[in-house]
Amino acid sequence: AQTVTQSQPEMSVQEAETVTLSCTYDTSENNYYLFWYKQPPSRQMILVIRQEAYKQQNATENRFSVNFQKAAKSFSLKISDSQLGDTAMYFCAFRDFGNEKLTFGTGTRLTIIP
Amino acid sequence: DSGVTQTPKHLITATGQRVTLRCSPRSGDLSVYWYQQSLDQGLQFLIQYYNGEERAKGNILERFSAQQFPDLHSELNLSSLELGDSALYFCASSDSGQYNEQFFGPGTRLTVL
Repeated sequence: AQTVTQSQPEMSVQEAETVTLSCTYDTSENNYYLFWYKQPPSRQMILVIRQEAYKQQNATENRFSVNFQKAAKSFSLKISDSQLGDTAMYFCAFRDFGNEKLTFGTGTRLTIIP
Repeated sequence: DSGVTQTPKHLITATGQRVTLRCSPRSGDLSVYWYQQSLDQGLQFLIQYYNGEERAKGNILERFSAQQFPDLHSELNLSSLELGDSALYFCASSDSGQYNEQFFGPGTRLTVL
C-alpha cells in the first residue's frame, strides 16, 4: 500500500518570503501522479499543482513549483513570494495509474505572517 | 467554486442515528468519490462510484454505504452513528481526462453528540 508522509506539521513564514513544504512517499509503482492540495480556513480542497511521475521536468504553476525526486521518492512544494492568502493546510497526495483514489499525507499547516 | 455541490453543509445528530449526505458532481463527470477527514484519521478515501457502479472501496465501515443514481448524484448513508464518526465528509468528482483530476465539494460537517 502506498503511504505519504509530511514531516512538518506546522510552518510559518513572513509575507513575500519563499517557503518549501516537504513530502515523501512510498510505492512500488513506477507510474503515478503526485498532487499538492490546499485547504484554507473555508475547508475547501483546492488543487495547487500536479506532477506526473514519468515527467522529469518539475511542474510549475505561477508562484508554486515542485521539486520531484523520483529515486528519493520526494515531492516538495515551493511557494515563492508568499502571500497572506497562502495561509492554509497543504496536503500532499498520491495516485497510481491503475487506481483513482487519492492517498493523502497528514498535512502541513502553513501560516503567512504579515 | 469547483462545481461539486454537497448538502447539507452541517449536520448535528445523536449516537445511534442514521444520516444521508448528498453530492452532485460537476456536469459531465461520471466518477464520484467520498472522503472522510477527521482529526485522528486524517483524509481517508471511502468509496468511488463510476456511472452508477461501485468502482473502488477504501476504509469504509460496514455501517456506511453509498450509491450513485442515474442522474449521477450520489448519497453516502451513515448508520448507527458513533461519536468517532464526527468528521468532515467530502465528495469529489472527476472527468475522464488523462489526469482524472478530482474536484472537491465544500464538504458536510457531521457532528455526532
